[in-house]
Amino acid sequence: SQQGEEDPQALSIQEGENATMNCSYKTSINNLQWYRQNSGRGLVHLILIRSNEREKHSGRLRVTLDTSKKSSSLLITASRAADTASYFCATSGGYQKVTFGIGTKLQVIP
Amino acid sequence: DAEITQSPRHKITETGRQVTLACHQTWNHNNMFWYRQDLGHGLRLIHYSYGVQDTNKGEVSDGYSVSRSNTEDLPLTLESAASSQTSVYFCASSANTGTSGGKQFFGPGTRLTVL
Repeated sequence: SQQGEEDPQALSIQEGENATMNCSYKTSINNLQWYRQNSGRGLVHLILIRSNEREKHSGRLRVTLDTSKKSSSLLITASRAADTASYFCATSGGYQKVTFGIGTKLQVIP
Repeated sequence: DAEITQSPRHKITETGRQVTLACHQTWNHNNMFWYRQDLGHGLRLIHYSYGVQDTNKGEVSDGYSVSRSNTEDLPLTLESAASSQTSVYFCASSANTGTSGGKQFFGPGTRLTVL
């Protein structure tokens, strides 16, 4: 079964708006990662946040982690049409493998 | 530049045939993974390996096998293909980061159709 569950499953916004995606998980983790997948392509790693971190930034990306609520959010600021993709969270709980969620499909309308 | 490649990119086969999907990485990563991606299920782990001669079952391993004879390659074999194995297959690799899963690098995927 999937560890992470992304919410919403689909999101449509106008270019320039911010996009927020959420991920909830069930068991304790060592880190949480976010990946992007463009249509027909493999996944690309975006950012990793460790369980002892609360917030991390990378360019227009901001990730938060609340281990007490077992949830994370990915914020993309000033979205662009090129941000149109599916976004997945992935959790790691003490082993080298990770478990992926079902993903959020983001559409940014020019 | 280091990369991870998969072949073939597209494959059509018949029920009952044996199929092998190739995965080759030049990152020199110890860890390699095979996933399948289906609508509504996200990515599900089929098999994984933490090094040469090491293989482990993932959550959907029935009907699949892997072998790891060197660092670079982790071929995935469908012993007797079934229509339920029609899917997009992704290979990934990562460096050994200690106790937690690290950043994974993905191949471009193989679209497999079983008729």
